[in-house]
Amino acid sequence: DIQMTQSPSSLSASVGDRITITCRTDQSIDTYFNWYQQKPGKAPKLLIYATYNLQRGVPARFSGRDSGTDFILTISSLQPEDFATYYCQQSYRNIRFIFGQGTRVEMK
Amino acid sequence: QVQLVESGGGVVQPGRSLRLSCAASGFTFSMYGMHWVRQAPGKGLEWVAVIRNDGNDKYYEDSVKGRFTISRDSSKNTVYLEMTSLRAEDTAVYYCAREDDETSSVGDYYYYIDVWGKGTTVIVSS
Repeated sequence: DIQMTQSPSSLSASVGDRITITCRTDQSIDTYFNWYQQKPGKAPKLLIYATYNLQRGVPARFSGRDSGTDFILTISSLQPEDFATYYCQQSYRNIRFIFGQGTRVEMK
Repeated sequence: QVQLVESGGGVVQPGRSLRLSCAASGFTFSMYGMHWVRQAPGKGLEWVAVIRNDGNDKYYEDSVKGRFTISRDSSKNTVYLEMTSLRAEDTAVYYCAREDDETSSVGDYYYYIDVWGKGTTVIVSS
C-alpha cells in the first residue's frame, strides 16, 4: 500500500511570506502530483498538475517541484486570497489517486 | 460554460443503496474521464473512483471496491455512482469532477481534475 504524508497540517503566515507545503511518498516511481486549493464551503480548484505545470489562470506565485520522494508546493509571496486549505494528490500509474491530508494556511 | 451538477444525495440507512448522478454540460463529455471525490464533514478530500472517457477503464479506492460502481451514459452526458451496502463512514459531500490529461513528449499521460461540481450530500444514518 502507498504511504503518503502531507505536511504541515497547518501553518500561520503573513501576507508577503513565502510558504512551502510538502507531500512525501514511499512510491515515487510512476508517480506525479497535482495540487488543489479549497476554500470553506467551495469545491477545490486546480493549481498545479503533473508536478510542475501551472494551470491556466493561476497566478505565477504558485509553483510545484519534486525532490526525490518529496513533492513541494511553493507560494512565493502569500496574498490575502491565498488563505485556504491546500491538498496534494498523488497519481500512481494513473489508476490510483490519493489525496494528502490537507494543509490549512491561516493568517498570522 | 462548463458545468457539472450532482444530484441524488440524501439520508439513507446503513446497508441500503443510493445512486448519485452528475449531469455534464458545456464540453464534449465523451472526450473526458470523470471522477467522484468525497469529503466527510470537517475532513479532507478522498478520491472514490474514476471512469475513463471510453467507459471501459474504471478504478476505485480500496474502501469502496465491491460496493460502489461508477458508470457513464454518453447519450445523456451523465456519470453515475451506484453505492450499495452503505456505511456510516460513507457520509460525505460527493463531488463529481472532470479529468483532463496532458501527454508528454515521450508519450506519458498525466491526468488531473480541472472542473468540479458543487457536490451532493450523502448521510448514512439509522
